[in-house]
Amino acid sequence: DIQMTQSPSTLSASVGDRVTITCRASHSVSRWLAWYQQKPGKAPKLLISKASTLESGVPSRFSGSGSGTEFTLTITSLQPDDFATYYCQQYETYLTFGQGTKVEIK
Amino acid sequence: QVQLVEAGGGVVQPGRSLRLSCTASGFTFGSSGMHWVRQAPGKGLEWVAFLRYDGSNKQYAESVKGRFTISRDNSKNTVYLQMNSLRPEDTAVYYCAKGVTGWYSQFDYWGQGTLVTVSS
Repeated sequence: DIQMTQSPSTLSASVGDRVTITCRASHSVSRWLAWYQQKPGKAPKLLISKASTLESGVPSRFSGSGSGTEFTLTITSLQPDDFATYYCQQYETYLTFGQGTKVEIK
Repeated sequence: QVQLVEAGGGVVQPGRSLRLSCTASGFTFGSSGMHWVRQAPGKGLEWVAFLRYDGSNKQYAESVKGRFTISRDNSKNTVYLQMNSLRPEDTAVYYCAKGVTGWYSQFDYWGQGTLVTVSS
C-alpha cells in the first residue's frame, strides 16, 4: 500500500496567515492526489483534485501543488471558516488517506 | 442538489451483524461508482469498500475483506454495506461517498455518516 504522511499534525495560525500543509507519499502517485476539509461532526468536503484542480465553489485562497511524492495545500489569508482538519488522499493505486492536519486558532 | 443519506447504524455486540444503507438523490446514481469510508472516533479516514456503477467490480479494504459485503439496488438509488462478524475496532462513523470516476477515485459527495458502535 502507498502510505500518506501529512505534516504538521497540528498547526496553530491566526486569521490572515498563510498556511501550508505538506503531504508525502511513500511511492509516486503522479498527480492523483486530492485534498479534503473536515469540520467537527461533519463529512469531509472535497477541495482539490488531481493535485491542483480547485473544485467548483471552493475559494481561490486554497491552492494545491506538487507531483510524484510531495504535495502541498496552501491557504493564503486564513479565514475563520478555514479552521478545520485537512486530509490528503491518493488515488493512484488503491485508496489511502493521510492522517490529517488540524488547523487551529492561535 | 446531490444528497446521500445513510441509515442503519447503532450499537451491536461483537460478532453480530449490521446492514447500513445509503440512499442517493440529485445525480445519476446508476452511472456512479459508490464507496464506503469510515472514521473511528477521533481518528482519520479509512476507505472501506467500492462498488462499480453496474455492480460488476467490488473492492474491499484488507481490514474488512471476508466480513463486509457491498451491494446496490439501482432501482432504489441505494447502496448497502452488510457488516458481519463485527469487531470493536469496526466502531466508527461510516460515510457513503460518490466516486468521481472508477475504483481509483476521489470522492466528490459524502453523506452525513452513521455511527456504528461495536461493544458488549
